[in-house]
This record gives sequence, C-alpha cells and structure tokens, in this order.
Amino acid sequence: GDSVTQMEGPVTLSEEAFLTINCTYTATGYPSLFWYVQYPGEGLQLLLKATKADDKGSNKGFEATYRKETTSFHLEKGSVQVSDSAVYFCALRMIKAAGNKLTFGGGTRVLVKP
Amino acid sequence: DTAVSQTPKYLVTQMGNDKSIKCEQNLGHDTMYWYKQDSKKFLKIMFSYNNKELIINETVPNRFSPKSPDKAHLNLHINSLELGDSAVYFCASSQGVQSTDTQYFGPGTRLTVL
Repeated sequence: GDSVTQMEGPVTLSEEAFLTINCTYTATGYPSLFWYVQYPGEGLQLLLKATKADDKGSNKGFEATYRKETTSFHLEKGSVQVSDSAVYFCALRMIKAAGNKLTFGGGTRVLVKP
Repeated sequence: DTAVSQTPKYLVTQMGNDKSIKCEQNLGHDTMYWYKQDSKKFLKIMFSYNNKELIINETVPNRFSPKSPDKAHLNLHINSLELGDSAVYFCASSQGVQSTDTQYFGPGTRLTVL
C-alpha cells in the first residue's frame, strides 16, 4: 500500500540554523504531497503542498520540491526561529483515492533553541 | 471564529466505559474525518463521511461508531473502552473529496483510559 517515511526526530537546532526534514514516499500512482505542522497543544495545520512532479510548495519560509525520480518531498527552511518548534508531518494523497484520504508519515519533532 | 471544534479537549475514563467525542465545523464543508494519533505521534485515518455518508472505514474495531447527524457534525462514540484506545483523536473537514480539497483539523481530544 501507499506509505510515507520521514526521518525520526527529535531534531534540535539553534536559531537561524538551516533545517532539512527528509520525506520519501511509496505509491502506486502519482500522489499529491503535503507538509503539515503541529504546534504544541494544537491540531495540524497545512504548511505547504505540491500536486505534481517538480512543483515547489512554499510557505512561511519553508519549501519542499516534489521529486518524482527520487520519490521525495524534503522540507527545508534556511533560518529557523524558536517559533518553528513543532512536529512536522509529511503526507500523501492519491489523486483518484476514494474519500480524499491522507496517508501520513510518523512525524518529526523539531526543537529550536535560542 | 473556530473552524473545526471538538469537545471535550481532555477525557479521562475507566476501562469498559462508553464515551463520545463531538466535532463541529462551521466552514460549510461536505466532508469530515476522524484521525487517531498514538503516543508516538503516528497519525492514521479512521473514518470519513461525505454528505453524511460513510466513505472511509479503515479497519477500525466496531466498538468505534461514528455518527453524522448533519454535514456540520461528526461525532465519535466508543464502546467498552480499552487501554489501547488512549490517544489523541483529531477531527478534520474538507470542502469535498477532490484531491485539491485541503483538510482542516480540529485541536484534538486527548483520551486517557485507565
């Protein structure tokens, strides 16, 4: 079945450091890809998305590029802030999947220290 | 205004009890979901309803019974609670079931079964 694999955390960084969270997927077709963020005590929020190969999603300084050849959607940010401390989830959705079902990776906890 | 709301936020109960979690969305969406997030932050879909009809049921024990009285509400009833049911349950909604429809998540309900 379809699946998403993320690097395990926690990832601990200093403020202004460069952040990369790896995400790879396995799918039988061509999925849409997403990054969601969960701040402490809150629900998930959509951070960015890409719906086809070579698309780049971006939001709040975060970027991710849909790489079909490597089945990857790595999340990057050039200079993190303490407020970026959260759990980040990579997810996929098949274009023709019934019910708009999202398949999530295991989440990566990021801790940014001042 | 809260887009997707859940009650209660916290629920502590004994094994064997029956409990319900309520979810409401004021976005005018047609599709609603329940997700379960376990202690390791792994997030998995349980159910999805579109226009009050069940469209996704991911091999969840039949002790879990979703009910959608109208398009704006999707409640989750759990019978004979077990220790393994302890988790955070997230409700979500989307405009429809198309791949372009973003899912919006509620703040979660932390269920603890003693």
